[in-house]
Amino acid sequence: NAGVTQTPKFQVLKTGQSMTLQCAQDMNHEYMSWYRQDPGMGLRLIHYSVGAGITDQGEVPNGYNVSRSTTEDFPLRLLSAAPSQTSVYFCASSYSVQSPLHFGNGTRLTVT
Amino acid sequence: EDQVTQSPEALRLQEGESSSLNCSYTVSGLRGLFWYRQDPGKGPEFLFTLYSAGEEKEKERLKATLTKKESFLHITAPKPEDSATYLCAVRDNMEYGNKLVFGAGTILRVKS
Repeated sequence: NAGVTQTPKFQVLKTGQSMTLQCAQDMNHEYMSWYRQDPGMGLRLIHYSVGAGITDQGEVPNGYNVSRSTTEDFPLRLLSAAPSQTSVYFCASSYSVQSPLHFGNGTRLTVT
Repeated sequence: EDQVTQSPEALRLQEGESSSLNCSYTVSGLRGLFWYRQDPGKGPEFLFTLYSAGEEKEKERLKATLTKKESFLHITAPKPEDSATYLCAVRDNMEYGNKLVFGAGTILRVKS
């Protein structure tokens, strides 16, 4: 099993550009989420989904959109990139809301 | 507001030198305390979940313990391959979904 797959691994954007970070899982997990990791800080929740067609905001949702049309995929869209969005982004999934999270290997995003 | 504080920020050990990492937390109602290991350029890898004070879990050279205010990750006779960042996270029973609040992590370096 591949687990949680994130693409791309690295991305450089100019301020104002938009892009989509891809996340796919092959474990039939209902719960998926996006976190960002910044130096000296803990991972922070951006958006999450408890199943296909259902999404909700985490603690730092501004500037990001998500959708969940299938169980497997949970893309994260940056609408208009800003330097403050320079970070490492992790997608995670779990079998249920009580299960441990399984993380992908991240996308390192730089906004200039 | 949920808070997780990990100490020390960094720890350097000689191979075989046992030590402990600390995770102090503040939550309104604990629904799980999680330990993860993160290698450079990778996503967090799940190690343990603890649910109630007094609970202990072990895996190879690692042992996690939990009290009402903190958790310890004890590393016995560490090896260089134990070098990584160790993350602690808590899930609050007031939060919807599988949101984890993470500490900033402890960077462990084990020298041979």
